[in-house]
Amino acid sequence: DQQVKQNSPSLSVQEGRISILNCDYTNSMFDYFLWYKKYPAEGPTFLISISSIKDKNEDGRFTVFLNKSAKHLSLHIVPSQPGDSAVYFCAASGNRGSTLGRLYFGRGTQLTVWP
Amino acid sequence: KAGVTQTPRYLIKTRGQQVTLSCSPISGHRSVSWYQQTPGQGLQFLFEYFSETQRNKGNFPGRFSGRQFSNSRSEMNVSTLELGDSALYLCASSLGLQPANYTFGSGTRLTVV
Repeated sequence: DQQVKQNSPSLSVQEGRISILNCDYTNSMFDYFLWYKKYPAEGPTFLISISSIKDKNEDGRFTVFLNKSAKHLSLHIVPSQPGDSAVYFCAASGNRGSTLGRLYFGRGTQLTVWP
Repeated sequence: KAGVTQTPRYLIKTRGQQVTLSCSPISGHRSVSWYQQTPGQGLQFLFEYFSETQRNKGNFPGRFSGRQFSNSRSEMNVSTLELGDSALYLCASSLGLQPANYTFGSGTRLTVV
């Protein structure tokens, strides 16, 4: 039962343009969302997060938007750089029941930024 | 500050054998979680330990077990290995507060032949 879904397995963007990665979730108990970046042969690295009390969070070139009514979040990277090429995972957690103390991950989106 | 250390990095085992993977968390982190990453399923939660107690467990068979020691180091064990257990096993540590902001290790790549 995939409670966090990333429906685009891959995304290709030209350097300098905007990259938009999307993520949907189904569990209403989720109240905290994160994005991780992963290179081959390495563990995921935390990128940015957002609490459900907010609808936007920015950190440099990275912005995460949360639409609670649609159960949708997106990660915007502006401008995209070749070094951003990696797999991006969306993850969610909650503060009750089975959502406590764990993250639910999407299956990832491979971002390729070409010069 | 040392990161999360997982050993070994690579492992090849035969079907039916058992395996033990080790994880040393960041100093001061009391929570250790384990995830399995496979191409088809993404990252799947195995279990989480906090102060030597398992607080949460994912939907994996009983062949998968773990423990945490008083120094917060953790081990996970897989018995009676199956080909489908071939995966990258990731350990993550955190302070144990909510929400979970993990720091992941580089993982152990297990291949079952």
